[in-house]
Amino acid sequence: KQEVTQIPAALSVPEGENLVLNCSFTDSAIYNLQWFRQDPGKGLTSLLLIQSSQREQTSGRLNASLDKSSGRSTLYIAASQPGDSATYLCAPRGGAGSYQLTFGKGTKLSVIP
Amino acid sequence: SQTIHQWPATLVQPVGSPLSLECTVEGTSNPNLYWYRQAAGRGLQLLFYSVGIGQISSEVPQNLSASRPQDRQFILSSKKLLLSDSGFYLCASGAPGYTFGSGTRLTVV
Repeated sequence: KQEVTQIPAALSVPEGENLVLNCSFTDSAIYNLQWFRQDPGKGLTSLLLIQSSQREQTSGRLNASLDKSSGRSTLYIAASQPGDSATYLCAPRGGAGSYQLTFGKGTKLSVIP
Repeated sequence: SQTIHQWPATLVQPVGSPLSLECTVEGTSNPNLYWYRQAAGRGLQLLFYSVGIGQISSEVPQNLSASRPQDRQFILSSKKLLLSDSGFYLCASGAPGYTFGSGTRLTVV
């Protein structure tokens, strides 16, 4: 069974800081990995999708990297803003004989103005 | 791009009552469809997925069932709700990237 761990569980930073969110997964036989954000009481918004053959993806101030062999992904957020406050979820697809997404419990980010 | 419609947004139901949550998809045909549940303080749990009309796979044995009567329609049901069915239910479509609906907050009282 694929297991996903996200560290830290919660993070509070002042506005303007650069930050890194970490994700590790136990089975490296994945098809891709997706990062999502979830605002309180809302659904999930896809941020970045990295295919297993890729090392990183960028969208605006967000950059996600993937080291498949070591079972790690990081989400880098540059120049954080209060609007970035949300829970960030990492979800590798595949591994341990499954085609499905497996989610971590997320990192709750608070950006203080 | 795909759009997932879910309703209702919020639902309060008594124990023992039936449940029907509906999800419809726009912008794609023959999508893989998924039902997830997010319980308070816990991660997202996959409940059901479907690769086509009438094809349902269950990931977790429970008090719920799912059906896919049309290509872009996915329904989550229960005949008798339990307190433990409370949670945030999300419908999703994929792949390669997954798109999620806005969710239904179900409280069983």
